[in-house]
Amino acid sequence: DAGITQSPRHKVTETGTPVTLRCHQTENHRYMYWYRQDPGHGLRLIHYSYGVKDTDKGEVSDGYSVSRSKTEDFLLTLESATSSQTSVYFCAISENSGNTIYFGEGSWLTVV
Amino acid sequence: AQSVTQLGSHVSVSEGALVLLRCNYSSSVPPYLFWYVQYPNQGLQLLLKYTSAATLVKGINGFEAEFKKSETSFHLTKPSAHMSDAAEYFCAVSDRTGGFKTIFGAGTRLFVKA
Repeated sequence: DAGITQSPRHKVTETGTPVTLRCHQTENHRYMYWYRQDPGHGLRLIHYSYGVKDTDKGEVSDGYSVSRSKTEDFLLTLESATSSQTSVYFCAISENSGNTIYFGEGSWLTVV
Repeated sequence: AQSVTQLGSHVSVSEGALVLLRCNYSSSVPPYLFWYVQYPNQGLQLLLKYTSAATLVKGINGFEAEFKKSETSFHLTKPSAHMSDAAEYFCAVSDRTGGFKTIFGAGTRLFVKA
C-alpha cells in the first residue's frame, strides 16, 4: 500500500466554519492531489500540486484552497464550509512519470 | 479533450459467472488507461493499467482488460466472479502528460449473488 495518511478520517462541521484536511505521504512522490467523490459523479479533481509551493486548480476548485509547504504534506482548506461540500475527500499521489495514481483511505466530511 | 464513459452504474452477476464491466474512452492522443477498484469505506486501488506495451492487460485478483483502439474501449473482465469481487470499479484515462489530467468514469458497482 502507498504510504498516504489522511486526517481527520471523519468530521462533522457547521456551515460557515473553515475546515482543513491533511494529507501526508511517505513515498516522496512529486504530484499530490485532492479529489472529492460524490454518488453519480465518480471522482472530481479539486486541486493538485506538482511540487513544493506549486499548485493548480482542478475542475471543482471553487470554495477550496490548498497549500504544500513540504514534499510530504498537502493541505486542503474549505474556507467557509457549505452543505454542498459534504463529501468524501481523497488525497492521492503519483510519481513524476507513469501516471499511476495512488489513493489514501479518504476523509468523510459532513457539513450541517 | 479526454472523457471516459462506463456503461451501467450497476452490474449484477452470479457467483462463478463471467464479469464484464464496460468502459469507453475518448482521447486525442494515445492514452494510458486504468481500472481501479474501491471496496466500501476505502480508497481506490489500482487493478491494472494499459500503457501500450500489450493490448491485453492482466491485473490483480484474476481481472484483465483488453485495449481495442478501433472501438475506443477498455472493458474489464473476469472469467468467474467471486463474492469478494463485490465493489465499485472505476475506469480512468490519462493523456500521458501528467497524472493531473487523469479523468475518472462515474463508476460501476458490481453485485455478486450467491
